[in-house]
Amino acid sequence: DSGVTQTPKHLITATGQRVTLRCSPRSGDLSVYWYQQSLDQGLQFLIQYYNGEERAKGNILERFSAQQFPDLHSELNLSSLELGDSALYFCASSVRSGRETQYFGPGTRLLVL
Amino acid sequence: GENVEQHPSTLSVQEGDSAVIKCTYSDSASNYFPWYKQELGKRPQLIIDIRSNVGEKKDQRIAVTLNKTAKHFSLHITETQPEDSAVYFCAAFSGGGADGLTFGKGTHLIIQP
Repeated sequence: DSGVTQTPKHLITATGQRVTLRCSPRSGDLSVYWYQQSLDQGLQFLIQYYNGEERAKGNILERFSAQQFPDLHSELNLSSLELGDSALYFCASSVRSGRETQYFGPGTRLLVL
Repeated sequence: GENVEQHPSTLSVQEGDSAVIKCTYSDSASNYFPWYKQELGKRPQLIIDIRSNVGEKKDQRIAVTLNKTAKHFSLHITETQPEDSAVYFCAAFSGGGADGLTFGKGTHLIIQP
């Protein structure tokens, strides 16, 4: 157990819908990262938040957005869902930003029908 | 941006033999290289990491080497055991405003009894 929690574990929804994934980092960690894992794209970095502020963006679609709250938990919002958005979504956390060890949560498996 | 190539995609070794997985990266500014192990349907789990001021690091049966000049790094697992069977991912961190990790495509390691 890494200490990073994610909910829900599984999510099934339809095309065009909107979902919210939630992540709680390890106690004391200020950075939260979101990754998408799919068979064709592999593990891809989406976005990072550090102490409530957006820190870095990766390959995140405009239909996706995230935020980090004062208690440091983070939410990833996915809207206008397409079949190709079906994937495993992981969040990870680290103590600070930079070349820090990132600990991954158990992931949310999203299936878009 | 950073690009990480990982080889081989599949590696089958006899139990007790050694396994070597190799990665190359493109950004000479990259300075942190973690390795993750992922079992089917589970989270990536950090097994070892190395920073660019170190050429080699060892932890029991696992070692990582880094050649900054050639921009490649390798994972070595000795005395392989059945529980080593999993997918292994290398990653690179280059910073420069993009604090997410860039991952290789993964190596499926199969330990034959």
